[in-house]
Amino acid sequence: EPEVTQTPSHQVTQMGQEVILRCVPISNHLYFYWYRQILGQKVEFLVSFYNNEISEKSEIFDDQFSVERPDGSNFTLKIRSTKLEDSAMYFCASRKSLAASSYNEQFFGPGTRLTVL
Amino acid sequence: TQLLEQSPQFLSIQEGENLTVYCNSSSVFSSLQWYRQEPGEGPVLLVTVVTGGEVKKLKRLTFQFGDARKDSSLHITAAQTGDTGLYLCAGVTTSYDKVIFGPGTSLSVIP
Repeated sequence: EPEVTQTPSHQVTQMGQEVILRCVPISNHLYFYWYRQILGQKVEFLVSFYNNEISEKSEIFDDQFSVERPDGSNFTLKIRSTKLEDSAMYFCASRKSLAASSYNEQFFGPGTRLTVL
Repeated sequence: TQLLEQSPQFLSIQEGENLTVYCNSSSVFSSLQWYRQEPGEGPVLLVTVVTGGEVKKLKRLTFQFGDARKDSSLHITAAQTGDTGLYLCAGVTTSYDKVIFGPGTSLSVIP
């Protein structure tokens, strides 16, 4: 069964360093998302991406964040200068289409745990 | 800002008991979803409800969408220890289908 994959599973970095979190969405999906979950808190929307551009972003997704689909298969989230408060689980998700169907679900990856020291 | 609230936040019950988890919002969503999340893993979709008043059953789990499409409930009959986990209510918006998650209900079923 196709699935969303994410690498690495755990990333430890020093404050101020750049990190790139990688995701491989399901191959025939067109819509891509990043979410984050700070330990003990709810899952929060960061950004949605369609047709090689950001379609929507949240207040969390400031100038320190960027997304890219460099090669048609990977979908990356870059944090330019990490802060302590960026420590969280980051989930990638993909969706085939926006058709109004209860079976058109958004599939989530297993997440990358980012720890900023 | 679209927000979802869930109650209760924590629930601990004996195996075999029934339980209901509630999800409420002041906003209308195109659909409501329930996910289950295990520690260290991503959310896994259980069900999507689309139509106001809709009821869906998944074995011992019954999901209901309110008539006004602002609230939902998850009812588990005869809970089992395998039902232990974090249950997330989520609203699907009309904006590129981003998902707004509730804070979750942590369920613990004791044998």
